[in-house]
Amino acid sequence: AQSVTQLGSHVSVSEGALVLLRCNYSSSVPPYLFWYVQYPNQGLQLLLKYTSAATLVKGINGFEAEFKKSETSFHLTKPSAHMSDAAEYFCAVSVDTGFQKLVFGTGTRLLVSP
Amino acid sequence: DTGVSQNPRHKITKRGQNVTFRCDPISEHNRLYWYRQTLGQGPEFLTYFQNEAQLEKSRLLSDRFSAERPKGSFSTLEIQRTEQGDSAMYLCAIPPRYAGNTIYFGEGSWLTVV
Repeated sequence: AQSVTQLGSHVSVSEGALVLLRCNYSSSVPPYLFWYVQYPNQGLQLLLKYTSAATLVKGINGFEAEFKKSETSFHLTKPSAHMSDAAEYFCAVSVDTGFQKLVFGTGTRLLVSP
Repeated sequence: DTGVSQNPRHKITKRGQNVTFRCDPISEHNRLYWYRQTLGQGPEFLTYFQNEAQLEKSRLLSDRFSAERPKGSFSTLEIQRTEQGDSAMYLCAIPPRYAGNTIYFGEGSWLTVV
């Protein structure tokens, strides 16, 4: 079965610092991987997705993620954190593009301090 | 704008009461998904529709849950005899209008069972 593991339920950074949110996946077939962001009391917004094209994926709001098959990882990064980045971030995996059923991690809350 | 409208956004109900949530995609989509997100967790798949046909149901969807999609447009999710464990956010999601292996979520409907 497919699954993702997000290391660290909370990550704290200072404004302007590098953001690194970790995601490792488990899949018996080539996965499709996603990062979503959730602001308080809102639904999930797609940040970026990996679908077997370029391994370095750029998303919205300056975020990017790199697919590393050898490490089974899909970590999310942003060079410089902004206060507005404070939110919950979810990594997800799908192995059936026709079905589009996603399996989510437990999420990482990003805290940004001034 | 996620392209999905969900109502009500918040619902507080007493244990044992029935509740119904509605999902309205802004445009036509052949597929529609329901997910559930409990506090501190990532979303979990509940069920999905291909047009008006409900094609898969998660084991999370007990007999007290029923989902419909008449005419393949809007969808409803009804929970009968609510329990405190049903307290969660119920998310509706749709795929892109054109080909694309991801899904876009609505704002969600928060349910609190007291």
